Amino acid sequence: GAGVSQSPSNKVTEKGKDVELRCDPISGHTALYWYRQRLGQGLEFLIYFQGNSAPDKSGLPSDRFSAERTGESVSTLTIQRTQQEDSAVYLCASSKGLQTYEQYFGPGTRLTVT
Amino acid sequence: QKEVEQDPGPLSVPEGAIVSLNCTYSNSAFQYFMWYRQYSRKGPELLMYTYSSGNKEDGRFTAQVDKSSKYISLFIRDSQPSDSATYLCAMTRGSNYKLTFGKGTLLTVNP
Repeated sequence: GAGVSQSPSNKVTEKGKDVELRCDPISGHTALYWYRQRLGQGLEFLIYFQGNSAPDKSGLPSDRFSAERTGESVSTLTIQRTQQEDSAVYLCASSKGLQTYEQYFGPGTRLTVT
Repeated sequence: QKEVEQDPGPLSVPEGAIVSLNCTYSNSAFQYFMWYRQYSRKGPELLMYTYSSGNKEDGRFTAQVDKSSKYISLFIRDSQPSDSATYLCAMTRGSNYKLTFGKGTLLTVNP
């Protein structure tokens, strides 16, 4: 079956511009997660959705970052006024219900801020 | 002290070798322990997860958890060049809790 998909796969933007990153989870997966992976670093948790509510936003690094989810499907991560330190791979994952220990990842969006 | 420590390597082994990858952690509340494999420029792929202490085997892969020592391991038997990737450990307190990842170990299996 179809896995988690993300778009765009690559995004180059100028410092100060806003960007939107999209994630389509596996059909039937009610939980959705966003992570950031900087070069040479582990995955950094950003936010988690159960349905369209976000019980845990603790990882969002600043108020320039926001995310929303429509029902139990697509999610969008928005970064406003991008900075060079936002350059990273942004990964989305989904899981059935509350089985956070069994997450399936998309291929990621590679964001470069120039 | 980071919650999860993982030696980044790199680790280089000949084809057919047994590979041992390890992580240590500090939070005794962690109950689920995962191993992910990440190929270059791809998303992480779940290999296996283990609940609490003990061993779990899946083909050439064996995961071990020693909660008393706060130490987890992944063993790869008869390693293949296709196993060359970064291996990430991850752990969580349980359902509805976020995953905490190690930085990953880069493994190269040479033919």
